[in-house]
Amino acid sequence: GEDVEQSLFLSVREGDSSVINCTYTDSSSTYLYWYKQEPGAGLQLLTYIFSNMDMKQDQRLTVLLNKKDKHLSLRIADTQTGDSAIYFCAESPVSSNTGKLIFGQGTTLQVKP
Amino acid sequence: DAGITQSPRHKVTETGTPVTLRCHQTENHRYMYWYRQDPGHGLRLIHYSYGVKDTDKGEVSDGYSVSRSKTEDFLLTLESATSSQTSVYFCAISEGGRGRNTEAFFGQGTRLTVV
Repeated sequence: GEDVEQSLFLSVREGDSSVINCTYTDSSSTYLYWYKQEPGAGLQLLTYIFSNMDMKQDQRLTVLLNKKDKHLSLRIADTQTGDSAIYFCAESPVSSNTGKLIFGQGTTLQVKP
Repeated sequence: DAGITQSPRHKVTETGTPVTLRCHQTENHRYMYWYRQDPGHGLRLIHYSYGVKDTDKGEVSDGYSVSRSKTEDFLLTLESATSSQTSVYFCAISEGGRGRNTEAFFGQGTRLTVV
């Protein structure tokens, strides 16, 4: 079946790099997304990667994909206090034509000054 | 920001009462979704719509119904609210069902408490 797993909590110091990890189980080609949720707000798309890519960089964000191990990571360089939020990994299986997203549990990132 | 409005933003209701949540979009996107967010579960799909009057169930659809009579509006109804339906409900929209177009835009959420 489809399942996405994330660690629940990460704490870093301001200026350090943060790495949030995610594993997924769907074996079909898929898009994988990272969403950010700030307190009391909806989800904001940060970035995405298609499963035929290994890496994608977007300013301070780097997404790494290990398709063999079905492992996805989000690296935030020079983490700032404004990066404190919940980060969700999500997959959209190509096998499904509904456009539905399968979400992980979310990783709470705490950035200490 | 994508034009998605959820109403109400907060609601407290009693067990056994019917509740309807509304999602309104101004983007003319074909697909609309209702998710619920609970601690330890992330977001789970309740129902989705792929066009006017075209809807289908998600993974946690029991106790919920939906309707879409216009492209811009997607309603979620709890016929008889239970405490297990206390949650934060998110509406999302996307242009298409496959590939890059599955990029979803989310509303601000509705916090529902069933007492």
